[in-house]
Amino acid sequence: AQSVAQPEDQVNVAEGNPLTVKCTYSVSGNPYLFWYVQYPNRGLQFLLKYITGDNLVKGSYGFEAEFNKSQTSFHLKKPSALVSDSALYFCAVRDMENSGGYQKVTFGIGTKLQVIP
Amino acid sequence: NAGVTQTPKFRILKIGQSMTLQCTQDMNHNYMYWYRQDPGMGLKLIYYSVGAGITDKGEVPNGYNVSRSTTEDFPLRLELAAPSQTSVYFCASSRPGTGTGEQYFGPGTRLTVT
Repeated sequence: AQSVAQPEDQVNVAEGNPLTVKCTYSVSGNPYLFWYVQYPNRGLQFLLKYITGDNLVKGSYGFEAEFNKSQTSFHLKKPSALVSDSALYFCAVRDMENSGGYQKVTFGIGTKLQVIP
Repeated sequence: NAGVTQTPKFRILKIGQSMTLQCTQDMNHNYMYWYRQDPGMGLKLIYYSVGAGITDKGEVPNGYNVSRSTTEDFPLRLELAAPSQTSVYFCASSRPGTGTGEQYFGPGTRLTVT
């Protein structure tokens, strides 16, 4: 079984400061990992993904995420937060062993990011 | 490309009524999904489809039905609406096979059952 944990319901950060949104995962094989962002009254938007290779992946809007296999983590980061980054962020995992058929993706419960001006 | 579109945006139903939530994608994606989103619960998969004519249950299928007659359309049917079905519903799609599985979401339908 695969699972995702986002341990923080909410993260508050001052504008201009670095931000981190935490995510840990559990899969039986190797993971595909994703981050999505949801702005109010909108659907989820894909931000970035880790498939293989470099542990630091870069995505949209200046976000990046660091894959750590030993800690089974995939934390989302940004060097300098903007007020417009305030949104709900979802981490998601897919087990690479399930490479065909139904692409089961498990989503975390989301972390609300609040950037304070 | 419009991506994934959903109608209606909002709907209020009385208990016992039925309705169909529409979902269309123009990206020629084989895989399509229906999720519901409840506060503090994340996304729960209701039904999914891996291609036209093929559908299967997700985590929370009770009270819902789907069909997939074309690649583009994946409607979700609610029969005998109940207050527990008050939620925000999202349709999504993704590429099949060796595609890595990132999903593209519609804007959602906010449903209230009273």
